[in-house]
Amino acid sequence: GDSVTQTEGLVTLTKGLPVMLNCTYQTTYSPFLFWYVQHLNEAPKLLLKSSTDNKRTEHQGFYATLHKSSSSFHLQKSSVQLSDSALYFCALSRTGGYKVVFGSGTRLLVSP
Amino acid sequence: GPKVLQIPSHQIIDMGQMVTLNCDPVSNHLYFYWYKQILGQQMEFLVNFYNGKVMEKSKLFKDQFSVERPDGSYFTLKIQPTALEDSAVYFCASSSTGGALSYEQYFGPGTRLTVL
Repeated sequence: GDSVTQTEGLVTLTKGLPVMLNCTYQTTYSPFLFWYVQHLNEAPKLLLKSSTDNKRTEHQGFYATLHKSSSSFHLQKSSVQLSDSALYFCALSRTGGYKVVFGSGTRLLVSP
Repeated sequence: GPKVLQIPSHQIIDMGQMVTLNCDPVSNHLYFYWYKQILGQQMEFLVNFYNGKVMEKSKLFKDQFSVERPDGSYFTLKIQPTALEDSAVYFCASSSTGGALSYEQYFGPGTRLTVL
């Protein structure tokens, strides 16, 4: 079945440093990839999405590029802020109306 | 932006009782979903629903679980009877139909269910 792997459970950084959260996936279909951000006791919110190979997508300073050759969709930001502290989920969906398959999540903690 | 509402935000019940979780999806959405999350861990798919029918359900969607959306009102998740392992936060989501918009699911704020 479809699966998403996030290798880091916890990433701790000082404000202003760059960050990359890893995401790889497995599917036999042509997927939509997503990054969701979840702050404490809140709903997951869509941060980025892509289905286009080798095209960078950006939102709120975060960016990611879907690479189908390596089945990856890593999330990056050039300078993290305190407000970026949250749980980040990489996820994929196969087609419209289909379930979203989530990775295990990476908790990002940004310190002053 | 579009919002999904969930009622109640918290529910505490005794094991063996029945509970109904309510979801008010985005008004023009036709695909509905339930996910389960334990203690800020991985979000896990339970079930999706379209045109009055369950499209797919996971192994977590036990026989004690049921979903419905009577007369276009709330999309509900009913658990009867509840078990201790049902304690979790349940998120409802909805998505549109047609093209790329149907991939984007909007999540509600969740209902925290505690089974004692």
